Amino acid sequence: DAKTTQPPSMDCAEGRAANLPCNHSTISGNEYVYWYRQIHSQGPQYIIHGLKNNETNEMASLIITEDRKSSTLILPHATLRDTAVYYCIGISGAGSYQLTFGKGTKLSVIP
Amino acid sequence: DVKVTQSSRYLVKRTGEKVFLECVQDMDHENMFWYRQDPGLGLRLIYFSYDVKMKEKGDIPEGYSVSREKKERFSLILESASTNQTSMYLCASVPPGTGNQPQHFGDGTRLSIL
Repeated sequence: DAKTTQPPSMDCAEGRAANLPCNHSTISGNEYVYWYRQIHSQGPQYIIHGLKNNETNEMASLIITEDRKSSTLILPHATLRDTAVYYCIGISGAGSYQLTFGKGTKLSVIP
Repeated sequence: DVKVTQSSRYLVKRTGEKVFLECVQDMDHENMFWYRQDPGLGLRLIYFSYDVKMKEKGDIPEGYSVSREKKERFSLILESASTNQTSMYLCASVPPGTGNQPQHFGDGTRLSIL
């Protein structure tokens, strides 16, 4: 699985877009970029994943650079409930077996 | 939406007790997982199952066993609880297929062994 690097923390004003970066320069061609988040004392929540095209769902957008060495998760209108630790992982088959989270980014949405 | 339900959010047990943690999913998923999550150690896989009555050891199976009698239910058993098993336990499930389906997690059980 690809090694990923994320900033340890970020702040975002409520209502503004939150842009969370992730570097995954060692990602291989068949590895997807997955984003999960974990709100304090809850289980991880799947957000979105992609291979090389940008993706959007009801929660977020995922922008992957053309060389696939980095990506950005975008929460278009952050709310207080989006305060959580966000994890970016590169994995060839998230359904296959073990997920491994790094330290992630602690996003604090500020009123 | 996928629903993974863990039987308890918080549980307190005593050393030496046999502890059962239950997980149920409602999406007919074949693959189910049990992880524990500890500060500074991240997620660690205890056991997983890819079908009824099938199980595979993860990275840290010692002191644990599992049971998968029905597809929707995957139980984690602490045979004789010890204080170093105090942790957050997370169950996840995913359908089989191409391999790029996301795992969906339950809310976790925070287990304290006294």
